[in-house]
Amino acid sequence: EVQLVESGGGLVKPGGSLRLSCAASGFTFTNAWMSWVRQAPGKGLEWVGHIKSKTYGGTTIYAAPVKGRFTISRDESKNTLYLQMDSLKTEDTAVYYCTTDRRTTVTTPGDNWGQGTLVTVSS
Amino acid sequence: QSALTQPASVSGSPGQSITISCTGTSSDVGNYNLVSWYQQHPGKAPKLIIYEVTKRPSGVSDRFSGSKSGNTASLTISGLQAEDEADFYCCSYAGSGTYWVFGGGTKLTVL
Repeated sequence: EVQLVESGGGLVKPGGSLRLSCAASGFTFTNAWMSWVRQAPGKGLEWVGHIKSKTYGGTTIYAAPVKGRFTISRDESKNTLYLQMDSLKTEDTAVYYCTTDRRTTVTTPGDNWGQGTLVTVSS
Repeated sequence: QSALTQPASVSGSPGQSITISCTGTSSDVGNYNLVSWYQQHPGKAPKLIIYEVTKRPSGVSDRFSGSKSGNTASLTISGLQAEDEADFYCCSYAGSGTYWVFGGGTKLTVL
């Protein structure tokens, strides 16, 4: 059974930093392409970014609102995905979900989801 | 404002069929067969129910079906059941630079 467990959320001041972790199990993490998706309180879903597997170079891509401030990385030895968030803004307040991508000949984010971790950016 | 437009709410009675629309542009929905749909019950994580416009992951009921015409994708739920009541989100690939965009979500009420 695929399990994704996020951690690291909390309250941070504007301009601050936070690192989220996502512990993965139940599948071959090394081969997985992974995404982060967020949801502001009472709002809809927003794709944050994605990382390919190391086999495909571990390439990352980001949504425009977070590009240059957020960094996605992965540690195969720990089966863990990370989201480093810097220069946080109040509009980054959201539940952050770790997801696996569904891969066929193309890729779709959000195949499996964690339970999410809440990040609150407030002074 | 979300990149893809969905109705804020839809409703139907048990046993009926409903359709949720998801309108984009020729840069996203209309240009790629990469539309997906997610169901989210209150307080829960979303669940993928349709990918690549029409495909269902294993374990998803065949009462859920997807389609696309031009710049509009649709999710149809047939034989409505009480447990279908949830929020539904569409998502489309929008090309390199923008990548993935979601709709604002539709709240389904089963009367």
